[in-house]
Amino acid sequence: DVKVTQSSRYLVKRTGEKVFLECVQDMDHENMFWYRQDPGLGLRLIYFSYDVKMKEKGDIPEGYSVSREKKERFSLILESASTNQTSMYLCASSRDRVTNEQFFGPGTRLTVL
Amino acid sequence: KNQVEQSPQSLIILEGKNCTLQCNYTVSPFSNLRWYKQDTGRGPVSLTIMTFSENTKSNGRYTATLDADTKQSSLHITASQLSDSASYICVVSAKGGSQGNLIFGKGTKLSVKP
Repeated sequence: DVKVTQSSRYLVKRTGEKVFLECVQDMDHENMFWYRQDPGLGLRLIYFSYDVKMKEKGDIPEGYSVSREKKERFSLILESASTNQTSMYLCASSRDRVTNEQFFGPGTRLTVL
Repeated sequence: KNQVEQSPQSLIILEGKNCTLQCNYTVSPFSNLRWYKQDTGRGPVSLTIMTFSENTKSNGRYTATLDADTKQSSLHITASQLSDSASYICVVSAKGGSQGNLIFGKGTKLSVKP
């Protein structure tokens, strides 16, 4: 079974703090993704990566950056957290570009005070 | 503009009853469509994935249908259980395009009551 893990289930940070969200997958998947999910808006793509050290902007990259130094690990960074970044953050991975069937982690509920 | 619309937004049914969730899309060119189940506070889990040539696929009590001509899909849940209470998300993938080219519906929130 594919397993995607995220470093924290719940996180509380203060405005202006630098926040790191970590995601690890154990199935040697090429592609990894970061989404945020807000009520009434559904899932929105922040960044994705289809190879080590590669990254592509999604639909809402502003205020975020990512890092992929190893194939199995994809990190989302909030350089200076703001209250409007309070959200559920979901990481996903997929094996190939054709079906792009994504497997999701359990999510991190981030609250920025 | 590529879009995925789901209906209803929310649904309440009694345990043991059947229900059908709808998904309409305007994604082109179409590659595949999948349904995810998301329990409250958890990540989505894939239920089914269908390509253009498939018009029905089952996973236990879940049956998804796809009509590529009308660009509609449905998810039918048979003999509902309390554990079926969740959000169900329809996701459509477009052919070509970038890796991030999945279009998500906003989901249907299903509540199954005893």
